[in-house]
Order: sequence, then structure tokens, then C-alpha cells
Amino acid sequence: AQSVAQPEDQVNVAEGNPLTVKCTYSVSGNPYLFWYVQYPNRGLQFLLKYITGDNLVKGSYGFEAEFNKSQTSFHLKKPSALVSDSALYFCAVRDGGSWGKLQFGAGTQVVVTP
Amino acid sequence: DGGITQSPKYLFRKEGQNVTLSCEQNLNHDAMYWYRQDPGQGLRLIYYSQIVNDFQKGDIAEGYSVSREKKESFPLTVTSAQKNPTAFYLCASSPRTGGEKLFFGSGTQLSVL
Repeated sequence: AQSVAQPEDQVNVAEGNPLTVKCTYSVSGNPYLFWYVQYPNRGLQFLLKYITGDNLVKGSYGFEAEFNKSQTSFHLKKPSALVSDSALYFCAVRDGGSWGKLQFGAGTQVVVTP
Repeated sequence: DGGITQSPKYLFRKEGQNVTLSCEQNLNHDAMYWYRQDPGQGLRLIYYSQIVNDFQKGDIAEGYSVSREKKESFPLTVTSAQKNPTAFYLCASSPRTGGEKLFFGSGTQLSVL
């Protein structure tokens, strides 16, 4: 079975400050990890993914995420947040040994204030 | 302009009525998915299809049905057996190559009258 947890319902940050959105996961095999962002009344947009290789993954809009196998975490980060980063962020995981089903976390609302 | 098109954007269902949500993609993707989004619960998988004329139940398939007669189309029917259908429904697609990202449509908000 696979699962993913996003422990924070909401993250508040001032514009220009660093932004971190937390994610932990559980899979039986090798994890395939993803971050998506959703703006109001829209579908999800892909930000970045980790399949294998370098633990630090860089993605769209200046976001990056660090894969930590020992802590089973895949936290999303941005060095300097923008007001336009305010959105709902989803972490997702799939067991690399199986195809198809992607397990999403409950989502974290990010609010960036001017 | 490539992508996934969901229609309608808003849909209202009367009690006892079946309604069908449309999802069309022109990305030439083999795999297609339907997710249901409820506030605070993230996305839950309803059905997915890896190839034409084949589909599998996801985590919450009861009260829903799908078909995959064409590669580009994956309609979802919300039947009268689904007692709590009010939600935001998202369709997605991906190449069937493993490790790939999903491409999402803009969603359909279904409400009960």
C-alpha cells in the first residue's frame, strides 16, 4: 500500500521569505514522487518529480524539492515566495514497481502575504 | 492547442438522474484517469484506463461508470447510486511509459439540485 501525508493544512509566509511545504510518504518499493499546484477552480499543474538520481530536484516557477530516503520525505521549497505562489499544493506518490495509481496527499494551502 | 478538455464546467444533477461528464484529450496519451476532489480530502481516484477498451476501478468507483471506446475520450457517468455526488471532478491523462507526469483538465463542478 502507498500513502502520502501533508501535515499542514495551511502555510502562511510573507513575500520574499523562504517557503517550505512538507510531505512524507510510504511505499513498499521505490517511490516516484511528484508535486502539483492548483489555482482556484482549475486543474492541477505539474511542478516537479523525483524518480531517481540527484536528491535535489528543480522544477517550474523556481520551486525545488529534496528527496530524503531515511526520513521518507519530499519537501517542496522556494527560496523567495511571491504573492502569486498562493495556491493549493499537492504531493503525490506512486510505487515504482506498479503502474497507474498515483496517491495524492490532502493538499496544503499556501498563503503569501505582501 | 494541445491538452485536455472537460465539459461542462458546471453541472447540476436532479435526484435519481444520471449525468455524464465529458473528457477529451488530443495529447495522444494512452492512459486516462478520473479523480474526485472534496475540500480537505485531496484527490481520490475513481477510475483509470491504460488503453482503449480497458479500464480499472480506483478507490471510490461505486456509483460511477466509465467507457473508453476511443483513445481520446474517457467519459464519466455519475449514476443515481452515487448518493453524495457534489464534488469537483478532474480528468487527467499520461503517456503509458511509467514515471510520467499527469496532465489535468480544468475540472467540472457537479452539484445536486
